[in-house]
Amino acid sequence: EDKVVQSPLSLVVHEGDTVTLNCSYEVTNFRSLLWYKQEKKAPTFLFMLTSSGIEKKSGRLSSILDKKELFSILNITATQTGDSAIYLCVRGGSNYKLTFGKGTLLTVNP
Amino acid sequence: DAGVTQSPTHLIKTRGQHVTLRCSPISGHKSVSWYQQVLGQGPQFIFQYYEKEERGRGNFPDRFSARQFPNYSSELNVNALLLGDSALYLCASSPTGQGISNQPQHFGDGTRLSIL
Repeated sequence: EDKVVQSPLSLVVHEGDTVTLNCSYEVTNFRSLLWYKQEKKAPTFLFMLTSSGIEKKSGRLSSILDKKELFSILNITATQTGDSAIYLCVRGGSNYKLTFGKGTLLTVNP
Repeated sequence: DAGVTQSPTHLIKTRGQHVTLRCSPISGHKSVSWYQQVLGQGPQFIFQYYEKEERGRGNFPDRFSARQFPNYSSELNVNALLLGDSALYLCASSPTGQGISNQPQHFGDGTRLSIL
């Protein structure tokens, strides 16, 4: 069975801290690795990674994929209270299948 | 522009009943996919539809079915409801028929289904 394992499952930090969220996945029929942010209901897209070693950045967020070691990390620098959310790591398998991790619950305190 | 819209937002049913959930994709998007998110878990893929045809199906029983209409909206039907079907049901759309693993999905706010 395809598995996506995220760690930690929850994290509490103070504003201004830097956090690293981890995601490991199984290799079978791998196509892509995606990150989403889920605040209340609808997950919103952050990054899609298909190539190893190429960092993607969007403001204070960045992500990178290691296809040899089968993991990805999501970094958030200078965290803000608005970063509080569940961050979902998603493995794209054969064309019509996505496997989600359980998510990391990030709480940023003022 | 309107995002993905789902209706109803909340629904309460009893065991054995059936339910129909509705989804309207972003204008111009032709692909719709459905997900079940149980409390404390990540979403699980149920179906993808493109141009009214089923393109993919997750590990869900035959009680779950869906269809897509000519205007690209979609319905998810669940028969013989069980307590374990209580969850947030998310719909997502994307522009093309490419596999959902090859393009970002745009999610709606979901339908919260509670089974008593």
